[in-house]
Amino acid sequence: KAGVTQTPRYLIKTRGQQVTLSCSPISGHRSVSWYQQTPGQGLQFLFEYFSETQRNKGNFPGRFSGRQFSNSRSEMNVSTLELGDSALYLCATHSGDLNSPLHFGNGTRLTVT
Amino acid sequence: DQQVKQNSPSLSVQEGRISILNCDYTNSMFDYFLWYKKYPAEGPTFLISISSIKDKNEDGRFTVFLNKSAKHLSLHIVPSQPGDSAVYFCAATSSGYALNFGKGTSLLVTP
Repeated sequence: KAGVTQTPRYLIKTRGQQVTLSCSPISGHRSVSWYQQTPGQGLQFLFEYFSETQRNKGNFPGRFSGRQFSNSRSEMNVSTLELGDSALYLCATHSGDLNSPLHFGNGTRLTVT
Repeated sequence: DQQVKQNSPSLSVQEGRISILNCDYTNSMFDYFLWYKKYPAEGPTFLISISSIKDKNEDGRFTVFLNKSAKHLSLHIVPSQPGDSAVYFCAATSSGYALNFGKGTSLLVTP
């Protein structure tokens, strides 16, 4: 079974631009979550989607948004990029079974200059 | 507000010995706890988990202990191997989908 696939792996953007990251879940996984990893803050939850609906949301500004498609693939968008948005963005998917773990992709490394 | 804390940023252990990684949490609503291992430039890899109805879970060389009254969990790796060198993250959740992570402990296993 293929794992969680994130594209692109690396991205360099300029302040003020916007960016879209993509995540393809493990087959059969309908829950997709996004996390931001930075050296100072560690891994922080952004939001979670299930059946094309945002079900949970972390404490991030509205510049961070996402969506999920009918095939469970998800995208996350960051608008008006700031230098502090430079981070590793991780997608994680869940089978929906009680007490089963999230499975992570290898992330997209975003650098904002 | 950090609800999951890993107070040791790093740990060094000799090959063959036991590695003990610790984690504390503050939210009594957490009912499922996980440990992930992470190498640079890769996503976290799931290691082992425990639900709040248990106090111990084993999987091969890895054992997780949960002390609910102390709001503390620990990961034991026995015996430690050089390939275990990585950053270990503790995580907790009450929803199953939104994980609260600690900041990680970097484990170095020396030959």
